[in-house]
Amino acid sequence: QVQLVQSGAEMKKPGASVKVSCKASGYSFTNYGMSWVRQAPGQGLEWMGWISGYNGNTNYAQKLQGRVTMTTDTSTSTAYMELRSLRSDDTAVYYCARAPVLRNFVPDYWGQGTLVTVSS
Amino acid sequence: DIQVTQSPSTLSASIGDRITITCRASLSISSWLAWYQQKPGKAPNLLIYKTSTLESGVPSRFSGSGSGTEFTLTISSLQPDDFATYYCQQYDTYSPIFTFGPGTKVDIK
Repeated sequence: QVQLVQSGAEMKKPGASVKVSCKASGYSFTNYGMSWVRQAPGQGLEWMGWISGYNGNTNYAQKLQGRVTMTTDTSTSTAYMELRSLRSDDTAVYYCARAPVLRNFVPDYWGQGTLVTVSS
Repeated sequence: DIQVTQSPSTLSASIGDRITITCRASLSISSWLAWYQQKPGKAPNLLIYKTSTLESGVPSRFSGSGSGTEFTLTISSLQPDDFATYYCQQYDTYSPIFTFGPGTKVDIK
């Protein structure tokens, strides 16, 4: 069965960086992309970006350009999302979600979420 | 950028009710709309994509319709497990960029 298992909660200070991992299993990693979505406490869902599991091509949300980097390690079927220059409003639960190309990248399976707290 | 709105923001309903949530896009998005259900502390769960295609395993009481700029999610007979927040998601034909609506919370009347 498809599973996406994310790394644990992080607490960071403003200005620091965080790197969240998402280990995939139960499907061919290189045949799918991975989207990242975040949700601030009590707020809605915000798309952050997407990375191809095949060739590493990326597409980032404009508001995060320059602060976010998404990468993959196909040898371990793991996707990573790094966010730099953290601010308090980056406090959120961060989700990875499998994005099938054949379904126009609509995320179908999601990780359990990783809480990132940014506080001095 | 395409803006997506949902109405109502909150909906109070009873078990067995038929409910409808509306999603509107600022520009025509053809049929490229999905719906998700999210419960507190959990990841979103895909219900419907391409306006009306039910994801595998989703009960048939959920249905979607619409095109262009106005779309609806209907639950034909509300069940206890359906009290949750629902998000629509607009997506692009050929790229992985998408936008979520602000969400509709369905709670118990």
